[in-house]
Parts: sequence; structure tokens; C-alpha cells
Amino acid sequence: DIVMTQSPLSLPVTPGEPVSISCRSSQSLLHRDGYNYLDWYLQKPGQSPHLLIYLGSNRASGVPDRFSGSGSGTDFTLKISRVEAEDVGVYYCMQALQTPPAYTFGQGTKLEIK
Amino acid sequence: QVQLVQSGAEVKKPGASVRVSCKASGFTFTSYDINWVRQATGQGPEWMGWVNPNSGNTDYAQKFRGRVTMTRDTSISTAYMELSSLRSDDTAVYYCAREKIGPYYGMDVWGQGTTVTVSS
Repeated sequence: DIVMTQSPLSLPVTPGEPVSISCRSSQSLLHRDGYNYLDWYLQKPGQSPHLLIYLGSNRASGVPDRFSGSGSGTDFTLKISRVEAEDVGVYYCMQALQTPPAYTFGQGTKLEIK
Repeated sequence: QVQLVQSGAEVKKPGASVRVSCKASGFTFTSYDINWVRQATGQGPEWMGWVNPNSGNTDYAQKFRGRVTMTRDTSISTAYMELSSLRSDDTAVYYCAREKIGPYYGMDVWGQGTTVTVSS
């Protein structure tokens, strides 16, 4: 299986600050169709995960534009331009490339407000 | 509105089986694969497999093959996940999540989760 590694695992931030979360995969997530099969999900406390970014850089419906995804191959980044209190939770990257399907998640990055 | 509503919490004994349901509403059930993901307390999510509601085709993570069965009933827009030979380490919250069939758009709608507790 493809192994996903996130850093940092903990991220204390002040509201209004920018943040970056890194995600690395053990194999390239670049498909022959030109897309990177890498998603970002946020799991707020006590809630189900929800989709933020798909195919590396596409914001899901309703996701604020302060969230952005970038990267290609094995190195990806989620950026929040200005953190708000409602952004607290655990952020997971997930690869959706492996076939037969065997989606795998990173360990998670816990964002908390200082 | 678009939603996936899962069945309620379950408590099972080791060796038993559990079936969790996931009812879709607000969208065309047969246009989306249904994935199943579980999450043990304090752990990251773990993908278990998916079912294609159109064909009934399934694919399971190797870890669960032989113990998991995913099915669907298109007449009531409901997907099911059955896990057998339960062990204590199967204690987790189980989620269903839809994924558009065709171009990839991620798992964009999730159920509320079903807590399964395995205890003697």
C-alpha cells in the first residue's frame, strides 16, 4: 500500500496566521491522466471528516478560498491563508490512486488555536 | 438535502457479525460509489472498501477480505456493510461516504458515523 506521511502532527496557531501542512506519499500520485490523486479532509471535533480539496488542488463545493492545495508527484501542501477559530480539527491527506483501490490516509495534523 | 444517514450504534460480542446501513437521499444513488471507512478512537481513518450501487460490484481492502461484505438495495437507496468474526480491535466508528462514478471528485458527502463496540 502507498504510505502517506504528514507533518507536523500538531499545529498550534494564532487566528489570522497562515499555516502549511505537508503530506508526502511513498509513491507518485500522478496518474497518466495528468491529475494527482490526493485529497485533503478536515475532521472537526466530534464530526465526520469532510472534503476540502480533491485532485491535489481543487476546492470542494462550499470550501472557503483561504484553503488551497498544491504539489505534485509525492509532495503536497495544504495552506490556510488566515486561520480562523472554526478551522480547528484534524487534517488528513488521502491518496486515491492505488488500484485495485486501496485508499490510504496520513496520520493527521491536529490544528489548535493558541 | 443531500445526505447519508447511517444506522445506530451496535454492541457485539467477539466472533459475532455486525451490519451497518447507509441510506442515501437528495441525490441519485446509482451515480455514486459508496465507500466505507472506519476510525478507531484516537486513530486516523482506514478505508475498508466500496460498492458500486449500479452493478453491485465491490472492492475491499486486502486487510478485510474474507470478513467484510458490502451490498446495496437500490429500491431503498441503501448500502450495507457487514463485518464478521468481530474482534476487540474492530471497535471503531464506521462511516459511509459517496464518491462520484466517473471523473474523480473525492468523497464529498459522509454519513454521521456508526459506533461499533466489540466487547465480551
